[in-house]
Amino acid sequence: GAVVSQHPSRVICKSGTSVKIECRSLDFQATTMFWYRQFPKQSLMLMATSNEGSKATYEQGVEKDKFLINHASLTLSTLTVTSAHPEDSSFYICSADPGYHNEQFFGPGTRLTVL
Amino acid sequence: SQKIEQNSEALNIQEGKTATLTCNYTNYSPAYLQWYRQDPGRGPVFLLLIRENEKEKRKERLKVTFDTTLKQSLFHITASQPADSATYLCALEGGANNLFFGTGTRLTVIP
Repeated sequence: GAVVSQHPSRVICKSGTSVKIECRSLDFQATTMFWYRQFPKQSLMLMATSNEGSKATYEQGVEKDKFLINHASLTLSTLTVTSAHPEDSSFYICSADPGYHNEQFFGPGTRLTVL
Repeated sequence: SQKIEQNSEALNIQEGKTATLTCNYTNYSPAYLQWYRQDPGRGPVFLLLIRENEKEKRKERLKVTFDTTLKQSLFHITASQPADSATYLCALEGGANNLFFGTGTRLTVIP
């Protein structure tokens, strides 16, 4: 149980395009999902907290108009990187909080490469 | 803001020995602390959670300690195996169930 999927696992796009990444909790409901970014050899940096039915809470320094988050249902949150640039190339990871035991379950990550 | 440091970027250890990883933090008093394992190109996998009122937690070959006075957690893997080779991350509760991660320690267990 407690499986989180991400789609796509890998995406390559041209500079200026927008990319949508989906995060799904497959066998549980998650009122809260989190989005992280991880650069090579660095740790995960929390970007935003996504709550179902409300606006996401962004961490300091993360542009909300650049990284659009939609938590449409209790099992799906999406992150859209708008007008992507090469510096947005990174490993994006989501996690879902089932609301018990203070555990978060992480997705497998999405490798974004912007050319 | 909180600062989380893990003792070394990389740690090599002989198979069968105990690996000890350190996580130190400042400027914060988390209600709990977690340890995760991350393999290359994959998301983190939860291992253990220890709360501020707990000194020690065990799970199979894993042991975690939490010293809120020293602001330090130690993560031990006993009888280490090559399959334990991975990056291990500590993460602190940052309020509202947010997690803030340390820089990670890449453990290599040498056969």
